[in-house]
Amino acid sequence: EPEVTQTPSHQVTQMGQEVILRCVPISNHLYFYWYRQILGQKVEFLVSFYNNEISEKSEIFDDQFSVERPDGSNFTLKIRSTKLEDSAMYFCASSEEGGGNEQFFGPGTRLTVL
Amino acid sequence: GNSVTQMEGPVTLSEEAFLTINCTYTATGYPSLFWYVQYPGEGLQLLLKATKADDKGSNKGFEATYRKETTSFHLEKGSVQVSDSAVYFCALMKGGSEKLVFGKGTKLTVNP
Repeated sequence: EPEVTQTPSHQVTQMGQEVILRCVPISNHLYFYWYRQILGQKVEFLVSFYNNEISEKSEIFDDQFSVERPDGSNFTLKIRSTKLEDSAMYFCASSEEGGGNEQFFGPGTRLTVL
Repeated sequence: GNSVTQMEGPVTLSEEAFLTINCTYTATGYPSLFWYVQYPGEGLQLLLKATKADDKGSNKGFEATYRKETTSFHLEKGSVQVSDSAVYFCALMKGGSEKLVFGKGTKLTVNP
């Protein structure tokens, strides 16, 4: 069964460093998402991406964040200069269509900023 | 703003017990409602959904009914199994948006 994969499973970085979190969505999906969950808090939406552009983003997704689909298979989230409060589990998701259709989630990348 | 409040966990049950996990929401208009489940080491998976008032979503013995009058979408299962041990997330999505708004998650442990 096709699934969303994410690498790495755990990333440790120093404050101020750039990190790139990688995701491979399901191959025929057209909509891509990033969410994050700070320990003990809710899963929060960051951004949605369709047709090579951001379709929706939250107030969390500021200039420090960017997303890219560099080739036909990968979908990345870059944090330019990490802060301690960026420590969280980051989930990638994809869906075949938008508008409330099922979003398929990856297992997550745990980011720890020291 | 839109938000979801769900029952705090953890919840521990014996096999074959009845399960209820409460979920209420705040939203303008008529959102779609979802339950997602996360098994250990895996991503969130859609368990069931309902898109309008009085709809009942069901899957794998789990059920939830969209109650507009009480703004609720409680998850129920008549007889839980050890394999149901997981974290359960209630979520909503407003029309015209791609954003899922999640509750905090409820960890369920089912003992044999």
